[in-house]
Amino acid sequence: AQSVAQPEDQVNVAEGNPLTVKCTYSVSGNPYLFWYVQYPNRGLQFLLKYITGDNLVKGSYGFEAEFNKSQTSFHLKKPSALVSDSALYFCAVRGPSGSARQLTFGSGTQLTVLP
Amino acid sequence: DTGVSQDPRHKITKRGQNVTFRCDPISEHNRLYWYRQTLGQGPEFLTYFQNEAQLEKSRLLSDRFSAERPKGSFSTLEIQRTEQGDSAMYLCASSLGAGSNTGELFFGEGSRLTVL
Repeated sequence: AQSVAQPEDQVNVAEGNPLTVKCTYSVSGNPYLFWYVQYPNRGLQFLLKYITGDNLVKGSYGFEAEFNKSQTSFHLKKPSALVSDSALYFCAVRGPSGSARQLTFGSGTQLTVLP
Repeated sequence: DTGVSQDPRHKITKRGQNVTFRCDPISEHNRLYWYRQTLGQGPEFLTYFQNEAQLEKSRLLSDRFSAERPKGSFSTLEIQRTEQGDSAMYLCASSLGAGSNTGELFFGEGSRLTVL
């Protein structure tokens, strides 16, 4: 069975500092990896994805994520955090075929950017 | 607004009652998903449709739960004989065929169920 771990429930960072939200995964076959963001009282929004190719993927709002196959990780990063980045972030994985094609989400990491 | 819409946004019911949630996906999207999210957890997959066909159901979807997408457009999720453990946010998402192969789902804002 596929799974995602987000080891930090909460990440606090000062505005202007770099941020990292961690994610590790487990899946059979080549992973399809995603980050979604959830703002208060809003639906989940797609941020970025890794399917194949360059290990560093860029997404919306200046976010990027690095795929590391040997460490089975897909950490979300941003060089300079904004207060408006404060939200709940979910990492998700799916496998290449069959029932594993449905997204499995992590438990989420609450990011707070302090002014 | 051309996004995914869900109704009602909030539902409070007594244990044992039936509830129904509706989801209207983005109009050109042929795939529709239902997820459940409880506090402090990520969304958990329940079921998905391609057009009107229900192609997969999670083991989380007990026989008290039923979902339909009769004309391949909107979908309903019905919970019969609700239990307190059913209290959660029920999320609907949709995607195009290509999007479903790459996981780009478009989510609604959810329907929050509270069972007293």
